[in-house]
Amino acid sequence: DVKVTQSSRYLVKRTGEKVFLECVQDMDHENMFWYRQDPGLGLRLIYFSYDVKMKEKGDIPEGYSVSREKKERFSLILESASTNQTSMYLCASSLPTGVAVGNEQFFGPGTRLTVL
Amino acid sequence: RKEVEQDPGPFNVPEGATVAFNCTYSNSASQSFFWYRQDCRKEPKLLMSVYSSGNEDGRFTAQLNRASQYISLLIRDSKLSDSATYLCVVNPGNQFYFGTGTSLTVIP
Repeated sequence: DVKVTQSSRYLVKRTGEKVFLECVQDMDHENMFWYRQDPGLGLRLIYFSYDVKMKEKGDIPEGYSVSREKKERFSLILESASTNQTSMYLCASSLPTGVAVGNEQFFGPGTRLTVL
Repeated sequence: RKEVEQDPGPFNVPEGATVAFNCTYSNSASQSFFWYRQDCRKEPKLLMSVYSSGNEDGRFTAQLNRASQYISLLIRDSKLSDSATYLCVVNPGNQFYFGTGTSLTVIP
């Protein structure tokens, strides 16, 4: 069965801390994504990666960085957490977009991050 | 202009009702379309893909209108368990664009 896992379900950090969110998928997917979801704003793409060591900025990359050293793992890093980064963070993976069928995204359970 | 526009609702319908959601998208080069369901405080899960010819899965029917650039989801004979937020998703390339979601509550 398809599986995307995230390192934490709930996380509380202080302003200025460095935060690592880990995501692992077991489907051998090329594409991986990080989103944040806030009430009324829907899912917003932070970064995505379509191959190992490759990364592309999404719509809201400011204040975030990512790392993809292995195909199955995609990490989101908050270099210096701020209160406006309190949110639900969702990781997803998918097959390449050139695949005609079956390229839907599969999501992890999410990490609810609170920055105090 | 947003990539994907979706009526946020909320839709409150009685059990057994038929309800329809629409979603418009701006990128005419979009190739893949999906409806996801998201329960409260859970991750989105794929409900169904949307194919050019339209497709049905039990009580759910999805349709795509490329000329008008919209997709729709029809739910027949609504069940209490259908209560959730429904997200339309459009994939024009490497990225996926999500609507903000339509909230559905099915009332006994």
